[in-house]
Amino acid sequence: QVQLAQSGAEVKKPGASVKVSCKTSGYSFTSFYVSWVRQAPGQGPEWMGLINPNDGTTTYAQKFRGRVTMTRDTSTRTVYMELSGLRSEDKAVYYCARGNTMTVFDYWGQGVQVTVSS
Amino acid sequence: EVVMTQSPATLSVSPGERATLSCRASRSVGNNLAWYQQKPGQAPRLLIYASSTTFPGVPARFRGSGSGTDFTLTITSLQSEDFAMYYCQQYHDWPPLTFGGGTKVEIK
Repeated sequence: QVQLAQSGAEVKKPGASVKVSCKTSGYSFTSFYVSWVRQAPGQGPEWMGLINPNDGTTTYAQKFRGRVTMTRDTSTRTVYMELSGLRSEDKAVYYCARGNTMTVFDYWGQGVQVTVSS
Repeated sequence: EVVMTQSPATLSVSPGERATLSCRASRSVGNNLAWYQQKPGQAPRLLIYASSTTFPGVPARFRGSGSGTDFTLTITSLQSEDFAMYYCQQYHDWPPLTFGGGTKVEIK
């Protein structure tokens, strides 16, 4: 079955970076885009960007350009999202999600809580 | 970017009744609209895509409709497991892909 397993919770100081992983299984890794979506407490989901695991090309939301980097490792079927320059408003649950036809999210990881605190 | 507005923010419904949720786009998104359900502490779950196509495994009581700027998710005969948050998402004009602020369906 399709699974996306994410790394554990993170606590970071303002200005630091966080790197979250998403290990996939149960489907052809290079056939489906993977997006990163975050959700702040009490808010709706917010799309950050996506990566094509086949060739590593990325598309980022303008809001995060310059701060976010998405990468993949085809040997381990894992995608990564690194967010730099963390501030308090980056506190959120970060999800990876498989894109069916690229932009409809049919399977999601369990989410990673990222807390930014001095 | 396309702004998605959902209404109402909270919908109080008795079990067995019908719930009607609305989603409006700031400009036309064609039928490129998906609906997700989210329960506390869980990831969103895809219910509907292409405005009205039910994702496999989703009960038939979930129905989507609409096109252009106005969309509706109808849940006929609400079950206890349907009380949750619901989000719409457009994928017509991106980046960015955008979600609505959500509707909470609660027990009346």
